[in-house]
Amino acid sequence: GDSVTQMEGPVTLSEEAFLTINCTYTATGYPSLFWYVQYPGEGLQLLLKATKADDKGSNKGFEATYRKETTSFHLEKGSVQVSDSAVYFCALRFSGNTPLVFGKGTRLSVIA
Amino acid sequence: NAGVTQTPKFQVLKTGQSMTLQCAQDMNHNSMYWYRQDPGMGLRLIYYSASEGTTDKGEVPNGYNVSRLNKREFSLRLESAAPSQTSVYFCASRGDRAGAYEQYFGPGTRLTVT
Repeated sequence: GDSVTQMEGPVTLSEEAFLTINCTYTATGYPSLFWYVQYPGEGLQLLLKATKADDKGSNKGFEATYRKETTSFHLEKGSVQVSDSAVYFCALRFSGNTPLVFGKGTRLSVIA
Repeated sequence: NAGVTQTPKFQVLKTGQSMTLQCAQDMNHNSMYWYRQDPGMGLRLIYYSASEGTTDKGEVPNGYNVSRLNKREFSLRLESAAPSQTSVYFCASRGDRAGAYEQYFGPGTRLTVT
């Protein structure tokens, strides 16, 4: 079945460091891809999305590019801040009413 | 707009007790979902409802029942709670118009079963 694999955390970085969180997927066809973020004590919020190959999603300094050839959607940020500390989830979904399929999440801690 | 609301925020149950988790959305969305979140497991889908009057099982439906009471409300019931159901439960909803990709999540219900 369809699945999403994320790098395991936790990831601890110093402020202003470069961030990469790897995400690969297994799916038949071409799903839409998402990154969600969960801040402590809150629900999930959509961070960015890409709906077709080579699309780049971006938001709040984060970017991810839909790579069909490597079935990947890695999340990057050039300079992280303490306020970016959260759990990040990669997810995929096909069209119609199909639910999101989530990865297991990666916890990021940014220290000053 | 309140978005997706969930009640209660916290609950402690004894093994064998029953309870219903409530979820409501005010965005006129057709699709609604219940997930559970456990450490190291990410979010796993329990049940979902593509429209009022329909429900479908997700990845981990055993021990749960759901009711899509109307378009706004989607409740999750534990008939006989077990310690394995200790988790954080999230409700979500999504619209159906073209390009409506985002699922909106509620703040969660933290449930402990002793």
